[in-house]
Amino acid sequence: EAQVTQNPRYLITVTGKKLTVTCSQNMNHEYMSWYRQDPGLGLRQIYYSMNVEVTDKGDVPEGYKVSRKEKRNFPLILESPSPNQTSLYFCASSLENTGELFFGEGSRLTVL
Amino acid sequence: DQQVKQNSPSLSVQEGRISILNCDYTNSMFDYFLWYKKYPAEGPTFLISISSIKDKNEDGRFTVFLNKSAKHLSLHIVPSQPGDSAVYFCAASRGWSNYKLTFGKGTLLTVNP
Repeated sequence: EAQVTQNPRYLITVTGKKLTVTCSQNMNHEYMSWYRQDPGLGLRQIYYSMNVEVTDKGDVPEGYKVSRKEKRNFPLILESPSPNQTSLYFCASSLENTGELFFGEGSRLTVL
Repeated sequence: DQQVKQNSPSLSVQEGRISILNCDYTNSMFDYFLWYKKYPAEGPTFLISISSIKDKNEDGRFTVFLNKSAKHLSLHIVPSQPGDSAVYFCAASRGWSNYKLTFGKGTLLTVNP
């Protein structure tokens, strides 16, 4: 089954404790991206990657890091989480130059 | 600066009637538009798209209309079904490339039986 898998789905952590949200897709997609969804703000892009070793900032990259060492994986790293990073995070992928993004089920992160 | 605006946070319609969801954009460089649907506890799913070279695109019960001069697009669902109850996001980009996809805040559609 074609899918985008995120882990963990739910996480409560404390300020400053480094964490990684993993994202994996099994569709051989070149493009992957991370979004956050906040009440009243919709979906905002954090980082995206056009292919292996090619990443770029989205609209709200502060406080996040990403890497793309393999085509299927695109982890989101919070080196020192803060409460304003409490949010619902979505990973997405697509074939290059198509409009159809495939989203994961989301990871709800709470930073205390 | 919100470049994609969905001014109605919610919409309620009766089953069988038409649902019309609206979206406005301010960036005249946008030329590719998409609608996504999101159920609670799930990720958004792609619904329908339209390029600026068209003014209408239809897929079954879903039709998207684009008015470039007004920088406005709308999604029509006919007939509406209870299973259509979800949050609908409008999104826009420059060209077919989706590297910089800008989303609206979403509209919660409730279809009442």
